[in-house]
Parts: sequence; C-alpha cells; structure tokens
Amino acid sequence: ETGVTQTPRHLVMGMTNKKSLKCEQHLGHNAMYWYKQSAKKPLELMFVYSLEERVENNSVPSRFSPECPNSSHLFLHLHTLQPEDSALYLCASSQTRAVARLTGELFFGEGSRLTVL
Amino acid sequence: AQKVTQAQTEISVVEKEDVTLDCVYETRDTTYYLFWYKQPPSGELVFLIRRNSFDEQNEISGRYSWNFQKSTSSFNFTITASQVVDSAVYFCALSEANFGNEKLTFGTGTRLTIIP
Repeated sequence: ETGVTQTPRHLVMGMTNKKSLKCEQHLGHNAMYWYKQSAKKPLELMFVYSLEERVENNSVPSRFSPECPNSSHLFLHLHTLQPEDSALYLCASSQTRAVARLTGELFFGEGSRLTVL
Repeated sequence: AQKVTQAQTEISVVEKEDVTLDCVYETRDTTYYLFWYKQPPSGELVFLIRRNSFDEQNEISGRYSWNFQKSTSSFNFTITASQVVDSAVYFCALSEANFGNEKLTFGTGTRLTIIP
C-alpha cells in the first residue's frame, strides 16, 4: 500500500457541480498539505494542516474548502469552480511541519487531475 | 520574497549521455534550504536531496550529483550516464528558515526525456 493515496485520479466536472478530492496517508504523519500544479507554473501551496488544525491558507478562493477530519485524511471540497481551476491537485504529508521545513521530506500522492468544463 | 527559476523547460538527451538541470534561486534570508524533487509519469513527487545554505560541498549519490554555488545562487543537478527511468519532471525548491515559515517555493520544473 502506498504511503499517500489520492482519489479520484481523474475528475471532470461542470462549473456548477460539487465534488470532493480525498487524500489518505498511512504513514502516521501529523501534517498534511494540498498543492496545486498548473501547466508551466510552480507548484502552489494551498492549505496546510497540522494535527487536524488548518494552520495556513494561502489566499485560496472560497470555492475550495478543505477538511481534515483526522490526521490520516484530508479532503478538498470543490464547488462552482472555474475552468482556470483545472490542474493537478497534489496531496502531501510530512512527519511534522518542522520536519518538512528542515528536511524537505514531503511525501506526495499521485495527484488528482481535475478538469473543469 | 523567495523565487526559484528553472530556465530549462524541456530537455531531451540520448541514453547514457550526461545531463545537467539548472536551478537559480533568490532569497533574502541567510539561512535556507534547497531541494530537488523528481516527478515521474505516475505523478507523485519523490524527494531527492536537501542542502542547507551553510554547506557548499557538492554531493554525489550514485549517478546523481549536485553542485551548490552560493556565489551564483545556483543549485544544479547532474545525472551521469542517463537511463530511460530518469525520464521525469524535476523540480528545484527553496525553503527559508524563518520561524514558522516552512513553505517550499518550487520552480516550474524541467521535463527530462531520455531517448533510448
């Protein structure tokens, strides 16, 4: 079983739909992250959760709503998205936030490829 | 503000050739960390290396080597005797060591294709 699992791998949705991306980590980590990877742009950090508490929100539009019910699961709820939101959404985890800063050892999932029509 | 520039968008080389991926960074901090990640076609990013700003020694790990030059703010990555399995997108990243700031700033990535 891989360390960080993301579902679905591919998602196509209309602008009026509501959907969710799911991330699950089996590594016993305390910090989880959502990143957005758009074509020809650097990875953008969206949200950081530490011990199930959101500790960072990088000016992400409210149409993206994260949820962390426990330290192993992270969701990204999507509603009324725009076509420019089409991207690969990557979930990552680290032992702690401090470890991620010092070692860079983020463990990434394979991503959810989102297409907004 | 921190910034990472990977000027090479795509590189193709024939198998067994050596290839160097460039990374130039900007930061105002005197203490920082530099990283390289590999993103194979499956999508997940794989951590390759971390280097702190006080350690300018070059590092070699098998066919991989990294050249950190503080004077030119560069942290280049060389693959020797490339193999098809090296085909991936490679990201350089920077983390400043300010308290509470553990954000990694990524470059736009370099897509490396190794031709058999």
